[in-house]
Amino acid sequence: GNSVTQMEGPVTLSEEAFLTINCTYTATGYPSLFWYVQYPGEGLQLLLKATKADDKGSNKGFEATYRKETTSFHLEKGSVQVSDSAVYFCALSGSTKGTYKYIFGTGTRLKVLA
Amino acid sequence: SQTIHQWPATLVQPVGSPLSLECTVEGTSNPNLYWYRQAAGRGLQLLFYSVGIGQISSEVPQNLSASRPQDRQFILSSKKLLLSDSGFYLCAWSPPLGRYEQYFGPGTRLTVT
Repeated sequence: GNSVTQMEGPVTLSEEAFLTINCTYTATGYPSLFWYVQYPGEGLQLLLKATKADDKGSNKGFEATYRKETTSFHLEKGSVQVSDSAVYFCALSGSTKGTYKYIFGTGTRLKVLA
Repeated sequence: SQTIHQWPATLVQPVGSPLSLECTVEGTSNPNLYWYRQAAGRGLQLLFYSVGIGQISSEVPQNLSASRPQDRQFILSSKKLLLSDSGFYLCAWSPPLGRYEQYFGPGTRLTVT
């Protein structure tokens, strides 16, 4: 079945450092891919998305490229801020027996130090 | 624009008591609706999803049930809570045709004592 694997956290960075959070997936067909962010005590917010191979999603300085050949959707940001501290979830939406299901990774906690 | 509401925001209930959590969506019709549970420091576990009024699919056997009495209303219930039911409950909606992103509510923090 479909699955999402993302790197274990926590990830601790200094402000202005480069961020990469790895995400790989297994899916049949052509899933859509997403990154969500969750701040403490809140629900998940959509950060960015990509719906087909080679698409690049971007938002608030974050980027991720849908790589079908490596089945990956790594999240990157060139310069993180303290306010980026949160938990990040990689997810896919794919068809299973005619029904679209959402599969989430286990989340990666990011802590940015001033 | 679309909005999703959940209430209550926090809830403390004794073991064996009933539960009712409510989720409503505004600004869209015939959404797919979802209930997730997130244990402390963990990922999301899909509990139920619904593609229409009265249509509920359960992903895992458990002490909970769900109902969809109206197009944009989704209710999570239990007759008798267990300690293991504690967690952060999230409702989400998506457009009906799949492949699209989900939109999450603010969540309900449930503590069973």
